Amino acid sequence: EAGVTQFPSHSVIEKGQTVTLRCDPISGHDNLYWYRRVMGKEIKFLLHFVKESKQDESGMPNNRFLAERTGGTYSTLKVQPAELEDSGVYFCASSRPAFDTQYFGPGTRLTVL
Amino acid sequence: ILNVEQSPQSLHVQEGDSTNFTCSFPSSNFYALHWYRWETAKSPEALFVMTLNGDEKKKGRISATLNTKEGYSYLYIKGSQPEDSATYLCAFSGSARQLTFGSGTQLTVLP
Repeated sequence: EAGVTQFPSHSVIEKGQTVTLRCDPISGHDNLYWYRRVMGKEIKFLLHFVKESKQDESGMPNNRFLAERTGGTYSTLKVQPAELEDSGVYFCASSRPAFDTQYFGPGTRLTVL
Repeated sequence: ILNVEQSPQSLHVQEGDSTNFTCSFPSSNFYALHWYRWETAKSPEALFVMTLNGDEKKKGRISATLNTKEGYSYLYIKGSQPEDSATYLCAFSGSARQLTFGSGTQLTVLP
């Protein structure tokens, strides 16, 4: 069974530019989560999809962040326009039942210059 | 605001030593406690999910216990090996489904 995959692994952009991160969850996992770790801090929750619906987006920092999961398969997280404080590692995780183990991808390291 | 605390922040042990770390979490509104092993630039690897007070889980040389009444969990590694070097993360989930992570314990096992 393939694990959670994320693309790209690294992205370096300038302040004001747009970046789109992609996550492919484990096949059959209805629950998909986005998390972020900024340097030196804890991994923090951003949002949770159940299939294509946003279940909880209470962790999204502001309206520069837009997440989608069309068709309930892969998900994208767009940051537009990017700011310096958006730098960090963005993780995606997926699970079957909502409280089951969440399997993480390797993350996308975003650097905003 | 949920607070998940892990201690120690970092730990250096000699190969063959046994070690343990602590995770403390809110005892109210508890659903599950997760442990992950994470090496930088890799996916955090799920070790255990524990839901019941008194739960004990074991995977090879690694084991974990859970006390939901007082809000803590211990992770034990028996006979540490250099390949055990990693950051060990615990995460709490309550009625909201997302994980609230601690800052991790960075373990270095010296050969």
